[in-house]
Amino acid sequence: SQTIHQWPATLVQPVGSPLSLECTVEGTSNPNLYWYRQAAGRGLQLLFYSVGIGQISSEVPQNLSASRPQDRQFILSSKKLLLSDSGFYLCAWSVLPNRDQPQHFGDGTRLSIL
Amino acid sequence: KQEVTQIPAALSVPEGENLVLNCSFTDSAIYNLQWFRQDPGKGLTSLLLIQSSQREQTSGRLNASLDKSSGRSTLYIAASQPGDSATYLCAVSRGSTLGRLYFGRGTQLTVWP
Repeated sequence: SQTIHQWPATLVQPVGSPLSLECTVEGTSNPNLYWYRQAAGRGLQLLFYSVGIGQISSEVPQNLSASRPQDRQFILSSKKLLLSDSGFYLCAWSVLPNRDQPQHFGDGTRLSIL
Repeated sequence: KQEVTQIPAALSVPEGENLVLNCSFTDSAIYNLQWFRQDPGKGLTSLLLIQSSQREQTSGRLNASLDKSSGRSTLYIAASQPGDSATYLCAVSRGSTLGRLYFGRGTQLTVWP
């Protein structure tokens, strides 16, 4: 069966510090991978998606970046965090285009910027 | 741009009630529609997926319907239980190969015993 792991679960960082959040998927090959952010009082916002190794597309201009160094690994990074980067970050995966297949989400990382 | 709206934003009901959560979307050119459940501080759990060619899907006490032409979906929960308390999110997938999801802000459901 497929599983998705995100870590850390909770993170408190000062403004201006770097960030690295990691997501890995097990039990499937060549998944589509997604990073979402859920800010207080707002819906989920797609940040990045990837259809393969090294292939990253950004949905929202920001000081965050994403990388996919391996097929089932997706990393969200920042060189300098802003207060507005606070939120709940969720990683998700899905199989290649198929009307029957939902997206599957990790347990998320709660990021607080001080 | 696809916009997804969920009504009501919050709902509090006694145990045993049947209830309906509503979702509307502005662009009917969708790939599919998904309902998710989110417990506090947790990720999303997929509940039901309705393909654009389908009218409804059922899983246990949950039934989701889709009217693509009017841009509406409903999630029906029968005989609600305290364990159903969570935020329910609706999301639509645009007609592309990426399965990109557009989410509503959710309905926060509380079922009290």
